[in-house]
Amino acid sequence: KQEVTQIPAALSVPEGENLVLNCSFTDSAIYNLQWFRQDPGKGLTSLLLIQSSQREQTSGRLNASLDKSSGRSTLYIAASQPGDSATYLCAVQLVAGNNRKLIWGLGTSLAVNP
Amino acid sequence: ETGVTQSPTHLIKTRGQQVTLRCSSQSGHNTVSWYQQALGQGPQFIFQYYREEENGRGNFPPRFSGLQFPNYSSELNVNALELDDSALYLCASSGGRTDTQYFGPGTRLTVL
Repeated sequence: KQEVTQIPAALSVPEGENLVLNCSFTDSAIYNLQWFRQDPGKGLTSLLLIQSSQREQTSGRLNASLDKSSGRSTLYIAASQPGDSATYLCAVQLVAGNNRKLIWGLGTSLAVNP
Repeated sequence: ETGVTQSPTHLIKTRGQQVTLRCSSQSGHNTVSWYQQALGQGPQFIFQYYREEENGRGNFPPRFSGLQFPNYSSELNVNALELDDSALYLCASSGGRTDTQYFGPGTRLTVL
């Protein structure tokens, strides 16, 4: 059974720091891994999607890497800003095609202090 | 803004009642997935609809049911509500060549 774990559960940093959020999964047979952002009481915003054949994806100050063999992904946030404060969740999709079920971690709650 | 809308935004029901939640998918998307997110937890997959057929279901009892319409919008129905059904219900729209799922803002359901 696929399980997704995120470390740390919470993180508080001063503005401007570079930071790394970790995601691990127990079964390396994934189709893709996705990182999402969730603001309090709100829906989810897709940040980055990495296919199982890829090693990393970048969008602005965000960089996500994937090491499928070790079951790990990291989300790197450069030069953090107070607006980055949110919960970050990673999720894995197990199969290709039309079954797009995602298995989720519990998230990392990030606070960036001005 | 993803183009995925959900209604209502908030809902309060009592135990034993029934509820219907609605989701309009993003234009061009033929797949809608529903998730339940309890406070402080990650989302849990309820089920998915592809071209009006259920094609995947998570570990939820039969009192959770759904529909997808020809325009690919979707409903989630929950019968005989229990206190533990209190959660944020999220729908996600996907389709075409991208695997990215686009989420709506969610419906916050409170069962008293």
